[in-house]
Amino acid sequence: QKEVEQDPGPLSVPEGAIVSLNCTYSNSAFQYFMWYRQYSRKGPELLMYTYSSGNKEDGRFTAQVDKSSKYISLFIRDSQPSDSATYLCAMFVSGGYNKLIFGAGTRLAVHP
Amino acid sequence: GAVVSQHPSRVICKSGTSVKIECRSLDFQATTMFWYRQFPKQSLMLMATSNEGSKATYEQGVEKDKFLINHASLTLSTLTVTSAHPEDSSFYICSAREPPKDTQYFGPGTRLLVL
Repeated sequence: QKEVEQDPGPLSVPEGAIVSLNCTYSNSAFQYFMWYRQYSRKGPELLMYTYSSGNKEDGRFTAQVDKSSKYISLFIRDSQPSDSATYLCAMFVSGGYNKLIFGAGTRLAVHP
Repeated sequence: GAVVSQHPSRVICKSGTSVKIECRSLDFQATTMFWYRQFPKQSLMLMATSNEGSKATYEQGVEKDKFLINHASLTLSTLTVTSAHPEDSSFYICSAREPPKDTQYFGPGTRLLVL
């Protein structure tokens, strides 16, 4: 079993839809959770960073963490074609080198 | 957010030559940088952790003599692919850890093609 599970998709939605992206994890020691967006042939871009259970909102993006269920989500409201990319969840345990553990990434396509 | 640069963005070389890729944190000091490799439509694979002033820590299965890493300063790490072969062709991405939250910011990546 992988430490972090993420459905690779692809996920195709119409413009304006609410997108829900999810990851589950098995290691209860994970303390910090991130979502990255990666466009084709580019490096990942940090979207959200959270460390506690609950919701964190930034513009059209909301990150949700449920540590009791070992489940994290990223919601995108009013999705745009420019949101079409691969979304990677990542997490780490504090201390040491803080090596990121990534999900497989979900490919999202938002069509006009 | 913090900015990490990589140079070059793309390189084509002949088999047997060595290639150096630079990773710089532009607006913060990074005691730790990371090097990843990514194949098409796959997630990032961590190759090594680079620490300023000490030897890099390589992941299992990564040849340290082939992928030389030097963390020369708090803002610069380099990856040298020695005696490159076609199977080394890939997308190489670095990241730098920004204190105090230890957030990792990624560079734009370097596409290596070995002929």
